[in-house]
Amino acid sequence: AQSVSQHNHHVILSEAASLELGCNYSYGGTVNLFWYVQYPGQHLQLLLKYFSGDPLVKGIKGFEAEFIKSKFSFNLRKPSVQWSDTAEYFCAVEGFQKLVFGTGTRLLVSP
Amino acid sequence: EAQVTQNPRYLITVTGKKLTVTCSQNMNHEYMSWYRQDPGLGLRQIYYSMNVEVTDKGDVPEGYKVSRKEKRNFPLILESPSPNQTSLYFCASSGTSGSSSYNEQFFGPGTRLTVL
Repeated sequence: AQSVSQHNHHVILSEAASLELGCNYSYGGTVNLFWYVQYPGQHLQLLLKYFSGDPLVKGIKGFEAEFIKSKFSFNLRKPSVQWSDTAEYFCAVEGFQKLVFGTGTRLLVSP
Repeated sequence: EAQVTQNPRYLITVTGKKLTVTCSQNMNHEYMSWYRQDPGLGLRQIYYSMNVEVTDKGDVPEGYKVSRKEKRNFPLILESPSPNQTSLYFCASSGTSGSSSYNEQFFGPGTRLTVL
């Protein structure tokens, strides 16, 4: 069975700072990888996904993630965060139609 | 508008009183799933369904039941709720395409359940 580990539970940044959220997974087979975002009081929305091809994936709102197969990692990045990026971010791994989420990282961006 | 709907959005109940949370999607998706979200634990899958009349346990199925009699609906049933089922519940759906086993999951707005 697959598992997902998100290293940072809480991250606090100032506006314009760069962001990198770590995600590592374990799974023996081919995986599909996702980052979801949950803004305060809202449901989860897909930020970006990786199925195959270019390991650098660009998503919405300036986010990107890089799949590094040798490190079993799929870290989320944004060069310059905004106050509106304050949210909880979840990495997820799918194998054989089973989607497993990490425990989430709460990001607070101060103006 | 393509969406997943859940009802009710908020529910306060007492221990042992049976309840059902409904979930409906209008995207003709085959795959539907229920998750619970708890602080520090992320989202954990309760049950999922790959198609009508096909359901299977997720990671935390104890105390829950589901049914999938129609493609669009996937209700979550708590026969005898207990306080440890106080949580935020999300329903999700997705389609399948070709040889890929999975597409993006679309989430409902969530149901906040409190069991006293």
